[in-house]
Amino acid sequence: RKEVEQDPGPFNVPEGATVAFNCTYSNSASQSFFWYRQDCRKEPKLLMSVYSSGNEDGRFTAQLNRASQYISLLIRDSKLSDSATYLCVVNRLDTGRRALTFGSGTRLQVQP
Amino acid sequence: DGGITQSPKYLFRKEGQNVTLSCEQNLNHDAMYWYRQDPGQGLRLIYYSQIVNDFQKGDIADGYSVSREKKESFPLTVTSAQKNPTAFYLCASSMLGGNTIYFGEGSWLTVV
Repeated sequence: RKEVEQDPGPFNVPEGATVAFNCTYSNSASQSFFWYRQDCRKEPKLLMSVYSSGNEDGRFTAQLNRASQYISLLIRDSKLSDSATYLCVVNRLDTGRRALTFGSGTRLQVQP
Repeated sequence: DGGITQSPKYLFRKEGQNVTLSCEQNLNHDAMYWYRQDPGQGLRLIYYSQIVNDFQKGDIADGYSVSREKKESFPLTVTSAQKNPTAFYLCASSMLGGNTIYFGEGSWLTVV
């Protein structure tokens, strides 16, 4: 089982739609959680951190469920510019090593 | 501007040759990382370094080598022992103990 699992998609949605992605992680020692956005053939960029209480940044809402070990990202009022791959990222600290583990990403295509 | 610079952006290598990818950062970050990304897959950690003159293997270190002689620089050598080197290579850095990592623009390596 992969440490971080995501539905690869693609999710094809019309402009203005609301879309949600989930991500599950297997290591209960995971401490920090993030969503990164990666455009085609570009480097990933931090979209937002994910906090236990849930957090919102404009049209984006992230939530964490530690009991069920999943993270979600909700995008409201989708724009064409939201088309990208969204990477779920988990940070763990084990045996003194802190390293990010990346999911394979969920591809979103917003259509006019 | 502060950031991470990777070079070259595109590199073609013949089988049996070693190649070195450069990574330089002026963010004053202590930690640096090398990731590999294959099409449709997530990032996999090759090597990381938390301090000058020290580095640790990641999940897929075989066939790769690194050095950390200066805080700003973390070059990656892809050796001829790496059987499937064609991939997108991403260098990243972060503050020590920090959760957010920043990526360079990546280097595309193709074996011909």
